[in-house]
This record gives sequence, C-alpha cells and structure tokens, in this order.
Amino acid sequence: KNQVEQSPQSLIILEGKNCTLQCNYTVSPFSNLRWYKQDTGRGPVSLTIMTFSENTKSNGRYTATLDADTKQSSLHITASQLSDSASYICVVSGGSGGSYIPTFGRGTSLIVHP
Amino acid sequence: DTEVTQTPKHLVMGMTNKKSLKCEQHMGHRAMYWYKQKAKKPPELMFVYSYEKLSINESVPSRFSPECPNSSLLNLHLHALQPEDSALYLCASSQPRQGAGTGELFFGEGSRLTVL
Repeated sequence: KNQVEQSPQSLIILEGKNCTLQCNYTVSPFSNLRWYKQDTGRGPVSLTIMTFSENTKSNGRYTATLDADTKQSSLHITASQLSDSASYICVVSGGSGGSYIPTFGRGTSLIVHP
Repeated sequence: DTEVTQTPKHLVMGMTNKKSLKCEQHMGHRAMYWYKQKAKKPPELMFVYSYEKLSINESVPSRFSPECPNSSLLNLHLHALQPEDSALYLCASSQPRQGAGTGELFFGEGSRLTVL
C-alpha cells in the first residue's frame, strides 16, 4: 500500500529560526515528490518538485532534499517568517499500473511566533 | 493568484437543498480533480476526470455528482447532503501523467461548504 508519513505532526518555532520537516514514503515505483504549502482555509500551493535523479532543490528560503534509496525527503526552511505559518504537505506520485494519482501525507503544521 | 478558479468561495445549504460547486481552469490541463478536506486533515480524493471522462470515483456517495462539461470546467452537484459533508472542497487540475516531472497538481482556493 502506498503511504506517505510526515513528521513532526506540528512544530512551533520563533521567527528567524530554521526548521526541517520530514517525509518518508513507500510509494513504488516512484515518479516524483512535491512539497505543498497550505494556508488555513486556502488551497495548497506547490513549493518544490523532486524527481528520481534530483537530490536537492531550492525555492527561495525553502530547500527540499530527496534520498530515493531510503525513500526520504526533507523540507528545510531558513530564517523563518510569520507568513511561513501554515501546513506543509508532502505528496508523492507513482505506484503500479501507471496510475498517476498522488498520495498525500497528513501534513506538518508549522507555527512561527514573533 | 491561483489559475484554478472555484465558485462559490462559501456555501451554506440545508439537507434538502440542491446546489453546485464550479471549477474552471484555462491552463489547457486535461485532468481535473475534486478533493474533500476536513479541518487539520490532508485532502481526500473524490473524483478524477481525464480528457473529460470520469476515470476515478473513490466510492463517493451518490449525493455528490460530478460533471465535466468541457476540458475547462468541472462541476460538483450536491443533493441531500448530511452535516458531516461540511468541509473545504478543492478542485485541482494537471496534465495527465506523461512521465517524471509532469502532472503537477494546481489547486483552486476551495469552496467552504456548510451543511445545516
């Protein structure tokens, strides 16, 4: 069964600090992995996409890593801002039979305090 | 701003009402999705349309009826809903899968549904 596990479930940090969110998956065969940011009551917005051959990808203060051998990804946020407070969802695509349908993690709720 | 537009943003309906949620995209995507999201939970897939044909129905109750009139529009018709159906309904679109790196989901802002 395809599964995506995220940790921690929630995280509280002070403004300006760094943090790292984790994502482990069992989706096979693997196609790609995306990190989405979702503000409360709004639709998710894509931050990064990682394919099998990519180890690191940055988008401003967000840096995602992927280890396809251990089936792990991380999202590192540098110099956090109050606007980073949101849910961060790891979404993995792949699976047998050529099905595209992505598998969602349960998300990490990040709160940035001033 | 999202390129997937959902209307209405908020909807309150009684259990005997008939209403519809609408979704529109002009990115030329040929796959469109409906997701249901409860508070503090990830989105749950409901339906997938690929090239205007229903390809996936995740065992959704018949009180939810999807419709894809053309490649840019996706509707969700609602009838005889229950209070537990109250949630954020998200529409998404993507190119059908062509290989690694494609098929990114673009989400709308969602329609917040409250069933009284």
